[in-house]
Amino acid sequence: NAGVTQTPKFRILKIGQSMTLQCAQDMNHNYMYWYRQDPGMGLKLIYYSVGAGITDKGEVPNGYNVSRSTTEDFPLRLELAAPSQTSVYFCASRTVGTAASGNTIYFGEGSWLTVV
Amino acid sequence: RKEVEQDPGPFNVPEGATVAFNCTYSNSASQSFFWYRQDCRKEPKLLMSVYSSGNEDGRFTAQLNRASQYISLLIRDSKLSDSATYLCVVITNTGGFKTIFGAGTRLFVKA
Repeated sequence: NAGVTQTPKFRILKIGQSMTLQCAQDMNHNYMYWYRQDPGMGLKLIYYSVGAGITDKGEVPNGYNVSRSTTEDFPLRLELAAPSQTSVYFCASRTVGTAASGNTIYFGEGSWLTVV
Repeated sequence: RKEVEQDPGPFNVPEGATVAFNCTYSNSASQSFFWYRQDCRKEPKLLMSVYSSGNEDGRFTAQLNRASQYISLLIRDSKLSDSATYLCVVITNTGGFKTIFGAGTRLFVKA
């Protein structure tokens, strides 16, 4: 049961570098999300997607970009990394249904990013 | 006002204690409610869904009060392993399903 898979798990970037965090889910979920979580803080939504070809900004989109060319994949691109982007990044997905079906959100294990 | 608010805690309780967390939400059109648990340096995981009639899973009981727009989580007979952050999650259909996480309530259970 793969669920939501994120790579890499850990990464150190230098200021100004760019990188892509990969996220894939094998549950055929329409909705996918990227969150960041700073130490001791709650989750903040960066971007989300309601289906292939459709993406939208969350609370904190500046400095990030996403794409959703397939249902399975939702990569997060960091352009010109800054120390403020040091955080843990979680990818998540869920289906859309009635409350009885749960609407459960499934998370990847997280990607720890440090920008120095 | 935040869309979903939780008492940040921390709650420090001895083993065997009963502890209750509350979560309030601002949008009366909210449809689905959940409690998630997050261990240190781990991803959030579903603890339980919250149904209108209330529901129980072992030592955990969740309640929903739509009139007052809050949900609650009761943990009975606390175990050391219950130490974690508990996140309230609300899903609202506002022309697209919007998923909102509370900031979480930290629980420490002591021996």
